[in-house]
Amino acid sequence: GIQVEQSPPDLILQEGANSTLRCNFSDSVNNLQWFHQNPWGQLINLFYIPSGTKQNGRLSATTVATERYSLLYISSSQTTDSGVYFCAVGEYGNKLVFGAGTILRVKS
Amino acid sequence: DTEVTQTPKHLVMGMTNKKSLKCEQHMGHRAMYWYKQKAKKPPELMFVYSYEKLSINESVPSRFSPECPNSSLLNLHLHALQPEDSALYLCASSQDQGWGVYFGEGSWLTVV
Repeated sequence: GIQVEQSPPDLILQEGANSTLRCNFSDSVNNLQWFHQNPWGQLINLFYIPSGTKQNGRLSATTVATERYSLLYISSSQTTDSGVYFCAVGEYGNKLVFGAGTILRVKS
Repeated sequence: DTEVTQTPKHLVMGMTNKKSLKCEQHMGHRAMYWYKQKAKKPPELMFVYSYEKLSINESVPSRFSPECPNSSLLNLHLHALQPEDSALYLCASSQDQGWGVYFGEGSWLTVV
């Protein structure tokens, strides 16, 4: 099956700093999403981005499908950005495969 | 606010109990999913229903039994679970294959 690798595994930022999270995947995909999991367990959709670039406020994402990677940019980080960020890619038949995640801690 | 609603949010059950987790979506999506997430791990797919038919079963033990009564509802029936089945169970839906997947808030299950 498809392999999804995220880096870095852990990240500590000072409030106001910028960061880039990376997701590499091993095969062509029909879906790529970025999620933020909050401390209560909810997976919040950040981006549906199988290719191209999107922006939403302080967050933006870029997927280069031909090179099998995606990047999530967080600018001017806030303590509420803390949590786990998952990249997930679509395999056959609606199957969404998750990477191991990046644990982000933003300190005030 | 999530448009995928899961109940109950927390469930504690004994190993001989029978219980059910419920999921509902009103987005007109045709695919619905159950995922299981253990602590400090990513979610793992259990089942996919597409147009109310089971399309993927990721070799899940028979003590977990999914049911899709209609296109808006998805249940997960639980029977004779083990303590290692304690986890966060996430329901999700999508318009169809290859579209964005939306998750509910999850049901925290503890088996004692």
